[in-house]
Amino acid sequence: DAGVTQSPTHLIKTRGQQVTLRCSPKSGHDTVSWYQQALGQGPQFIFQYYEEEERQRGNFPDRFSGHQFPNYSSELNVNALLLGDSALYLCASSPLGTGRAISEQYFGPGTRLTVT
Amino acid sequence: SQQGEEDPQALSIQEGENATMNCSYKTSINNLQWYRQNSGRGLVHLILIRSNEREKHSGRLRVTLDTSKKSSSLLITASRAADTASYFCATMEYGNKLVFGAGTILRVKS
Repeated sequence: DAGVTQSPTHLIKTRGQQVTLRCSPKSGHDTVSWYQQALGQGPQFIFQYYEEEERQRGNFPDRFSGHQFPNYSSELNVNALLLGDSALYLCASSPLGTGRAISEQYFGPGTRLTVT
Repeated sequence: SQQGEEDPQALSIQEGENATMNCSYKTSINNLQWYRQNSGRGLVHLILIRSNEREKHSGRLRVTLDTSKKSSSLLITASRAADTASYFCATMEYGNKLVFGAGTILRVKS
């Protein structure tokens, strides 16, 4: 049973560029959440996707956008990169659906983004 | 913004000793969860305690929750070198959104 996978593992971009990160959820999970973790801090919620729609959003600017595909995989896009966007980006999946109890989230290994 | 605040920020103990980490939060919650993170990689779920529960055990882990004080504690008994990691508490808000604290760095010396 494959867990949550993310690609790429590491990425180096230049200020002003755009980046796309990818996530495949755990088998049987239909909800994907994205988190940003700066060095020495806890993860910060960016947004959550369910049924190909953004369901919730944290306090992040519009430069951060996402997408969920019919197979439940997801992408995180960041435009006009800033130095402060350097962080570990974590994807987490969970089963949501109607009537399901709120449960733990399963995290992928993350993508480490460095903006120079 | 981060809701959970862990205490202490860092903890260093000898193998075999117990480790206790505390977490405080600010708003009403559905549940509180503890996660472990090794070397800045993905988080691993350890234990979930619901708002109507006061204590929960899982192997060497014991979690308590005091909703009146908006606080929780994680106890790791008989620690091992492999327990060296960062530990985060996270509160579950409406819609499966997790709000994390800044974490406690635990170092277990062998």
